[in-house]
Amino acid sequence: GNSVTQMEGPVTLSEEAFLTINCTYTATGYPSLFWYVQYPGEGLQLLLKATKADDKGSNKGFEATYRKETTSFHLEKGSVQVSDSAVYFCALADYKLSFGAGTTVTVRA
Amino acid sequence: DVKVTQSSRYLVKRTGEKVFLECVQDMDHENMFWYRQDPGLGLRLIYFSYDVKMKEKGDIPEGYSVSREKKERFSLILESASTNQTSMYLCASSLERATEAFFGQGTRLTVV
Repeated sequence: GNSVTQMEGPVTLSEEAFLTINCTYTATGYPSLFWYVQYPGEGLQLLLKATKADDKGSNKGFEATYRKETTSFHLEKGSVQVSDSAVYFCALADYKLSFGAGTTVTVRA
Repeated sequence: DVKVTQSSRYLVKRTGEKVFLECVQDMDHENMFWYRQDPGLGLRLIYFSYDVKMKEKGDIPEGYSVSREKKERFSLILESASTNQTSMYLCASSLERATEAFFGQGTRLTVV
């Protein structure tokens, strides 16, 4: 079945550092891919998405590119802020919506 | 904006009780989902539904059932609550298959 594997955390960074969270997937067909974010004490919200190969999703300075050849959808941000501290989830949707285990990111001032 | 509303933010129930978690969405979405979220395990899919009166098992359906009598409402039922069902439960809806999902605020259930 379909599955998502993402980089284990926790990840601790200093402000303005570069962030990468790896995500790879296994799927039959051509799923849509998502990154969701959960800020402390809040619900999950969509961060960005890509619906086909080579699409790049972007939002709030975060980017991820749908790479079919490597079955990956890595999340990147060039300069993180304290307000980016959150749990990040990679997700895959076709027949159903499946999530990775989540990566906790803490950004220190 | 899409709104997904879960009936309770916090619940405490006793072992063996029958527990109902309710979820309502206001955007005429076809699809609805129930997940549980546990530290280190991410979100695990319990059940989902692509239409009224239709349900499909997710990855961890044991000990749960669901009901979808109306398009906007998707209920999760714990037939006989157990302590290992203590968790955060998240409801979500999406317009179609393979589209983004919108989440409720979650229900933190404690079974004692």
